[in-house]
Amino acid sequence: DIQMTQSPSSPSASVGDRVTITCRASESISSYLNWYQQKPGKAPKLLIYAASSLQSGVPSRFRGSGSGTDFTLTISSLQPEDFATYYCQQSYSTPLTFGGGTKVEIK
Amino acid sequence: QVQLQESGPGLVKPSQTLSLTCTVSGGSISSGDYYWSWIRQHPGKGLEWIGYIYYSGSTNYNPSLKSRVTISVDTSKNQFSLKLTSVTAADTAIYYCARWYYVSGRPLDYWGQGTLVTVSS
Repeated sequence: DIQMTQSPSSPSASVGDRVTITCRASESISSYLNWYQQKPGKAPKLLIYAASSLQSGVPSRFRGSGSGTDFTLTISSLQPEDFATYYCQQSYSTPLTFGGGTKVEIK
Repeated sequence: QVQLQESGPGLVKPSQTLSLTCTVSGGSISSGDYYWSWIRQHPGKGLEWIGYIYYSGSTNYNPSLKSRVTISVDTSKNQFSLKLTSVTAADTAIYYCARWYYVSGRPLDYWGQGTLVTVSS
């Protein structure tokens, strides 16, 4: 199985801050990397697919980058509605696997 | 707009079989670009992919659960289903169904709201 490792695990940030979350795959996954946002009691919501493509309807302050084994999700200016848990997920091979999650909390 | 909705018992006894159904609306389950997946999330934990089915009936399961999992599809009802046998408390989780879009990054682009299944006597 491909292991996905996210960091940091739980950054605290303020509204307006730039937040960067990293995700590392245990082997190369090309650009088969997706990012999801999950709020309490809700299903995950797709934010970024193919490492850097913004899902329709997602604000442009979300940006994804990377390829191979190292990927980044950046929120350029954190908004109150962005406080949530973020997961990376690889679709290069089955079993599909997810990172452990990064909970962005209010400082 | 595609929507997915899970249904099934919220309480299952240990050693019994967990059975859930996902109903797809707003799109056909027989569309060729999609695989239909089940994912679970243990309370307060991360996400675990269980497996998928294609409309033709071909399946792929997570090896960690493969011996206990069966996913089936009913194209006439636009539904797919999950069966997990011999459940224990470790199978208590929120179960999600999702559409796996098998192009460009292959994301899980639409998810059901999730259903909590508790394994307890």
